Amino acid sequence: EAGVTQFPSHSVIEKGQTVTLRCDPISGHDNLYWYRRVMGKEIKFLLHFVKESKQDESGMPNNRFLAERTGGTYSTLKVQPAELEDSGVYFCASWDRVYGYTFGSGTRLTVV
Amino acid sequence: QKEVEQDPGPLSVPEGAIVSLNCTYSNSAFQYFMWYRQYSRKGPELLMYTYSSGNKEDGRFTAQVDKSSKYISLFIRDSQPSDSATYLCAMSARDSWGKLQFGAGTQVVVTP
Repeated sequence: EAGVTQFPSHSVIEKGQTVTLRCDPISGHDNLYWYRRVMGKEIKFLLHFVKESKQDESGMPNNRFLAERTGGTYSTLKVQPAELEDSGVYFCASWDRVYGYTFGSGTRLTVV
Repeated sequence: QKEVEQDPGPLSVPEGAIVSLNCTYSNSAFQYFMWYRQYSRKGPELLMYTYSSGNKEDGRFTAQVDKSSKYISLFIRDSQPSDSATYLCAMSARDSWGKLQFGAGTQVVVTP
């Protein structure tokens, strides 16, 4: 089966601009997660979708971040307006009972 | 204090040696313990999964969990240059099983 696909793989934007990250989970996986790793820190949980519903968004840093999951399929994570501290690698993962977590390769976001 | 502590390394070993990795944690609610391997510019890939305490072996990999000491370990036998990667421990609690808490990751270099 195809893995978790994220794009873009790398994005460089200026402070104050908007960026939208996309994640296509493995087909049929209801559980979708977003994580983030900022420079020098561990990977941290952002939020969890079950189908199109937000199950847990306790890790979202602030209201500049908006996540959506259209029809329970792909998900987007929008950062508006981006700040320097938002730079990092954003990972998406989907989960099922057989394979557990499958992570995408991540989107490397650089805010300048 | 971080919930999960992991020495970032780098840890350099000669080919064929045993690689020993470990993490300590502070949250006694953690029940699920995982080890991930991450190659450069890729997402984390699940290596080992253990529920509660005990040992688990899979090929060259052995995972150990000691809940009384809040300490988990991963051993890689007969290490190969292809094992060179960053190894991340991750764990979660029963009531929030999908919300992984990661260690910072240990960079391992296996030299031929």
